[in-house]
Amino acid sequence: DTEVTQTPKHLVMGMTNKKSLKCEQHMGHRAMYWYKQKAKKPPELMFVYSYEKLSINESVPSRFSPECPNSSLLNLHLHALQPEDSALYLCASSQDGSGKNEQYFGPGTRLTVT
Amino acid sequence: GQNIDQPTEMTATEGAIVQINCTYQTSGFNGLFWYQQHAGEAPTFLSYNVLDGLEEKGRFSSFLSRSKGYSYLLLKELQMKDSASYLCAVGDNFNKFYFGSGTKLNVKP
Repeated sequence: DTEVTQTPKHLVMGMTNKKSLKCEQHMGHRAMYWYKQKAKKPPELMFVYSYEKLSINESVPSRFSPECPNSSLLNLHLHALQPEDSALYLCASSQDGSGKNEQYFGPGTRLTVT
Repeated sequence: GQNIDQPTEMTATEGAIVQINCTYQTSGFNGLFWYQQHAGEAPTFLSYNVLDGLEEKGRFSSFLSRSKGYSYLLLKELQMKDSASYLCAVGDNFNKFYFGSGTKLNVKP
């Protein structure tokens, strides 16, 4: 099983809403990532969890809050987002966080903030 | 800082060979990755180079020169389904992963 799953596929939320994005992998990977991708741009790293601990936060605004409940699950909690936060949010996992292993990406959640 | 450069767009003919170049300057290096991304879909892994030289995988090959900070992805016997964006990415020493802006490849009949 080399699949990373993400839910929901699409999400529309208002600026005052609270929502969560979910990601799951069952490959035994110990590193998980959140990326943000705007149209025609490359993915931008947001957060890295390594062995269930947050190892990297790329100066992401606090309205994005990651959570790693266990080694298979990764959540991204959203609160008070801005319209410019509309993007494709990609989750990925890799064997570890060493930078030497390929990342497997989920299909993404397309987020629209109104 | 990190700097990864790729051409923005390329066009090639079905059945031909195309080479997509990538140059990089990063503060650490743990390997160079190539990904394919079709519009509206997630990136999918194509190849990984950490040592100098050529890695071949079917129709796709990837080359790395660490001293020159240079890589290329070679696609042979192009097919229409190869029309996609190709992303070069570098893993550094600090668990970070940086993507280039991607090269949009258009394959024409």
